[in-house]
Order: sequence, then C-alpha cells, then structure tokens
Amino acid sequence: EPEVTQTPSHQVTQMGQEVILRCVPISNHLYFYWYRQILGQKVEFLVSFYNNEISEKSEIFDDQFSVERPDGSNFTLKIRSTKLEDSAMYFCASTPGQWDNEQFFGPGTRLTVL
Amino acid sequence: DAKTTQPNSMESNEEEPVHLPCNHSTISGTDYIHWYRQLPSQGPEYVIHGLTSNVNNRMASLAIAEDRKSSTLILHRATLRDAAVYYCILRTGNQFYFGTGTSLTVIP
Repeated sequence: EPEVTQTPSHQVTQMGQEVILRCVPISNHLYFYWYRQILGQKVEFLVSFYNNEISEKSEIFDDQFSVERPDGSNFTLKIRSTKLEDSAMYFCASTPGQWDNEQFFGPGTRLTVL
Repeated sequence: DAKTTQPNSMESNEEEPVHLPCNHSTISGTDYIHWYRQLPSQGPEYVIHGLTSNVNNRMASLAIAEDRKSSTLILHRATLRDAAVYYCILRTGNQFYFGTGTSLTVIP
C-alpha cells in the first residue's frame, strides 16, 4: 500500500541554523500539507501546496518557513533560522485532489532545536 | 481560540461501543467535521467525516447534531487496536483545525 514517507525521523539542530525537512507524498497525489505538533499539544496546520504554489497557510507559517517541490517526488519544508520554539513533530500529508477528505499522513520528523 | 473541544481522556472495555463527544459551537455552514486518530509514534489517520447527515463507514459512525454544534464519533466495538488519541477537526476551506484530542484507553 502506498504511503507518505518523511526523512529524517529525527533532526537535531542548533538555534539559528537552517533545516530542511523532506517528504515524499504518495505518487499520484496532487495536494500536499505540512503540520506541526509541539510535544503534548494539538496538531496545527501550517500550509497546503498545489501546483507549485502555496494554497493556504496559517498564521504560524511566517517568513521563516518556506515550502518547495524541488522535483517530481519530494516536498520540503525549510525553516530558515530555527528557534527553540520550533522544536516539534512535523507531519507531511497528501491527498489526490483538493477536496479529498482523507489526508494521508507520514510518520513525522521530530525536530529538536538546542 | 479552540474551534473544537473534547474530553481529555476516556476509557472503554474491549468489545463494547464507545461514544466520543466533540463540541464545535462556532462551526460555520460550510465547515466539514472530520475525525482522525493518532496511534503512538505515528501520524494521524483518517477515520470519518461529515457535513450535516450522520455517516457510517467500516471504521466508525459519525452522529452530527441537528444544529451542527456537536458531534459524536461512535466505535461500535472497541478493540485493543483502537487505543489512540482521537481528534475532532473542523475543515474550513483547505485548512484543518485539530482539537486537543481524546485519549482512548481500551481495557481488555
């Protein structure tokens, strides 16, 4: 069964460093999403992406964040200058179409900012 | 500014039905109600969704109040594999607003 994959599973970085989190969505899916979950808190929507453009973004997704689909398979989330409060699990998800209700989530990347 | 509120935790005996409540009093007419669950160390997994009418699928049923200000996820027969955090979510456009979730414990 096809699945969303994410790498790395755990990323440790120093405050102020740039990080890139990688996701490989399911191959025939067209919409992609990033969420984050701070330890012990709820899952928060960051951004949705379609046709090489941001479709929607939350207030969390500020200028420190960017997303990109650099090739036909990867979908990345970049944090330019990490802060301590960026420590969280980051989940990627994908759907075949814009209004599909079943989002397929990856296993997540745990980001730890020291 | 929570869009959905859920009890923090619930328990159920194995093989018995479970009713997981959710309040979403500020729901707008075009918001869909979604439920996802998250098993330990995994990403969320789709369970069910609805707009106005009650819905059934192979995993669960969703009962939506007539005024749409609340809903209930029904697991007909809880198994040990159903132990997870269950999130009630409002979908506004293409944004999904997760609640804080209910941690379900299934007692053998």
